[in-house]
Amino acid sequence: NAGVTQTPKFQVLKTGQSMTLQCAQDMNHNSMYWYRQDPGMGLRLIYYSASEGTTDKGEVPNGYNVSRLNKREFSLRLESAAPSQTSVYFCASSGSGRPDGETQYFGPGTRLLVL
Amino acid sequence: AQSVTQPDIHITVSEGASLELRCNYSYGATPYLFWYVQSPGQGLQLLLKYFSGDTLVQGIKGFEAEFKRSQSSFNLRKPSVHWSDAAEYFCAVGAFSGNTPLVFGKGTRLSVIA
Repeated sequence: NAGVTQTPKFQVLKTGQSMTLQCAQDMNHNSMYWYRQDPGMGLRLIYYSASEGTTDKGEVPNGYNVSRLNKREFSLRLESAAPSQTSVYFCASSGSGRPDGETQYFGPGTRLLVL
Repeated sequence: AQSVTQPDIHITVSEGASLELRCNYSYGATPYLFWYVQSPGQGLQLLLKYFSGDTLVQGIKGFEAEFKRSQSSFNLRKPSVHWSDAAEYFCAVGAFSGNTPLVFGKGTRLSVIA
């Protein structure tokens, strides 16, 4: 099992450009999450999807959109990138059922630089 | 709503010394509690978790954590630190009701000196 995979690993954008970050999991998990990590801020939740076909806003959703394409894939889109979106983005997934379904498994991250 | 506080932003310990990283949570019911570790340039790896039962939980890499309900704490410990333990450590709390994302603390960076 690859677990949670993210592409690309690194990306440089100019202000105003758009891009989509891809995330896939092969653990048959129901829930998937997008976080951003900035120095001194810890992990902040952008959006999550509790199940296929549903998405919900997290703490910092502005400037982002998400698509839960199917059970495996959850993409994050920046429509018009801004320098404030320079960050490391992590995707995570978790299964169903309590309590073990609460455990989140993380991808390796995407480093995004917006100039 | 849940919240997590990791009071120490950065800790430095000598190799071979003991380690305790603090985590305090706020949640009105029984929480699920987690510790994750992040090595430089890597994603987060689960160290250990507490759901119920024995309040002292063992994790990978020789780490353990103790849940103390009266103190709303879930501190991470290791009796003898190795240089490879240098990393960032995150405490997280989940809601017993489920279907709610974890809430993470801001992390504690651990440096290990010879």
